[in-house]
Amino acid sequence: DVVMTQSPLSLPVTLGQPASISCRSSQSLVYSDGNTYLSWLQQRPGHSPRRLIDQVSNRDSGVPDRFSGTGSGTDFTLKISRVEAEDIGVYYCMQHSSWPHSFGQGTKLEIK
Amino acid sequence: EVQLVESGGGLVQPGGSLRLSCAASGSTFSNDWMRWIRQAPGKGLEWVANIKPDGSGQYYVDSVKGRFTISRDNAKNSLSLQMNSLRVEDTAVYYCMRGGGADWGKGTTVTVSS
Repeated sequence: DVVMTQSPLSLPVTLGQPASISCRSSQSLVYSDGNTYLSWLQQRPGHSPRRLIDQVSNRDSGVPDRFSGTGSGTDFTLKISRVEAEDIGVYYCMQHSSWPHSFGQGTKLEIK
Repeated sequence: EVQLVESGGGLVQPGGSLRLSCAASGSTFSNDWMRWIRQAPGKGLEWVANIKPDGSGQYYVDSVKGRFTISRDNAKNSLSLQMNSLRVEDTAVYYCMRGGGADWGKGTTVTVSS
């Protein structure tokens, strides 16, 4: 099974400052079709998860451009260029390249 | 915009059964993989089951194999999860999710307790 490991698990950030979350997989997420099915989700308190980034770096419709995803193979990063108050919540990486699909443990972003 | 609405959650005793449903609208449901994801209270997300667009293949996480059955009715744009032999550790909010995660429902709460 693919294990997804996020760091840090807690991320206090000052408003307007950048933030970065790492996600590492225990094996390559490159699928047989050549795509890498690694996504980033945001879950605000009391809400369902919302996908921000698909296939490593494709921002979903309506997602602010301060969010960006990079990486390849087993090493991925979500960056927020300037944190805003509405960014508070838990961020998960998610892989659906290999069954069983899996999530990272979650990174709780809070404002300092 | 795709809408996913789950229903069927509730309180059930250990060993009991529940059937969850997810009604989909606003998309070509029959073209999409559909998934059930759950989240135990205060915990992270856990993948539960997948079903292929035509319903010909189902995939389950080990902890629910033999107890849960995912199914779909493409004519009714509906996804289901039959949960039998429920355990306390199945207590969670259950979400249905379309395809690669662009669309999620609001979830339905399952509580297994005596």
